[in-house]
This record gives sequence, structure tokens and C-alpha cells, in this order.
Amino acid sequence: GAVVSQHPSRVICKSGTSVKIECRSLDFQATTMFWYRQFPKQSLMLMATSNEGSKATYEQGVEKDKFLINHASLTLSTLTVTSAHPEDSSFYICSVVSGNPGYNEQFFGPGTRLTVL
Amino acid sequence: GQNIDQPTEMTATEGAIVQINCTYQTSGFNGLFWYQQHAGEAPTFLSYNVLDGLEEKGRFSSFLSRSKGYSYLLLKELQMKDSASYLCAVLDSNYQLIWGAGTKLIIKP
Repeated sequence: GAVVSQHPSRVICKSGTSVKIECRSLDFQATTMFWYRQFPKQSLMLMATSNEGSKATYEQGVEKDKFLINHASLTLSTLTVTSAHPEDSSFYICSVVSGNPGYNEQFFGPGTRLTVL
Repeated sequence: GQNIDQPTEMTATEGAIVQINCTYQTSGFNGLFWYQQHAGEAPTFLSYNVLDGLEEKGRFSSFLSRSKGYSYLLLKELQMKDSASYLCAVLDSNYQLIWGAGTKLIIKP
């Protein structure tokens, strides 16, 4: 399967600052990456689908101007949380989809825990 | 709407067998996944079912009945390290993953 890394693994920031999270596909060229958010004791919530070379597709209720996604290459997608607030504190996870036709297994990065003070 | 149901929490004894059920109502079906997630970590893949029947992989097996909208994950010879949340997810007609809330499995000695 694909190996996915995220950086940083943990970040603590002050309210009002912006935070950038990187997601890298280390051994696989990913045209599509997904960004999820997970609050404590809740399931994964898809935030957006990141497409290499084009604009991301955001899920309903996710502010695209607040959560900026850039998928500049086949191995890197970034999520920037702009003007972060305490309610943005969450576990952010990216994933890539396997390239096998008809088999859409997702490989997850290790996640980034964001704490906004 | 789309819905995935699984129990919130289950408790089992080390060495025993446990079955975690998942029922789903989705717009279309292109497969069902089971993922394991330890606290504070990202999910890891366990199984994928797209045809009816039982798929066995070591101590873990997964079953699917598409006509009933039902799947289960069977864990045998439970070990303490199996304590985790188990997430059921269905790939709908748009190839989007619809996630269940997860079942927290507690293993007792």
C-alpha cells in the first residue's frame, strides 16, 4: 500500500494565527488526496477532496476560505487553517486513494493534532 | 439520507471472539471497508468486501450481505492490543466513503 506522511504531527497555536499542514505520498503519485477532520469520540468527517492541478472540492459546511487546500504536485497536498480559533482544534488526517481500478482503498497519514489556544 | 450504524462500544475478554456489526443505507454501493483506529492515531485498513460472503484474513474476518445492507467484523483469539475503535465505511455510488461513528472495543484480561 501507499505510504503517507503528515507534518507536523502536533501543533499548538494562538487564536488568530494560520497553520499549515503538509500531506505527502511517499511512494505513490496521488492525483487525489482527501482531508478529514475528527473530533474526540466522533467519526472521520470528510472536509475536502484535493485534486492535483485543480481546485479542491469542499464538503457542505466547510469554509473554503478558511481551510485553504493546495495540491501542487502528485506527492504533496497542504491544508492551511487560516485565522484559527479554538473550535478548530481537532485531529486532521489526510489520505490517498490506491491506484487499482475499482478498488478504492484509502491509505491514511498519521494525522496532525491541532490545538488552538 | 445516508446512514451507517454500528454499536458505540463493546467489551470482550482476552482470548475470546467478538463480532462487530454494521448496517448501512447508502445511495449506491461500491464496497465496504473496515478500519482499525487506536486512540490518537489514524485509521489502518483491515478489510474490503464488495461481494457477498466471508473474507478471512488471519484472526480477522469480514462478512457482507448486500441484500440486507449488513456487514460484520469478526475478531478471534482477542489480544489486548486489539483494544481500539473499529470503523465501518461504505463507498457510495459517487465513490465517496461514508463513515460510521466507530465501535470502541474494550478487551479485558
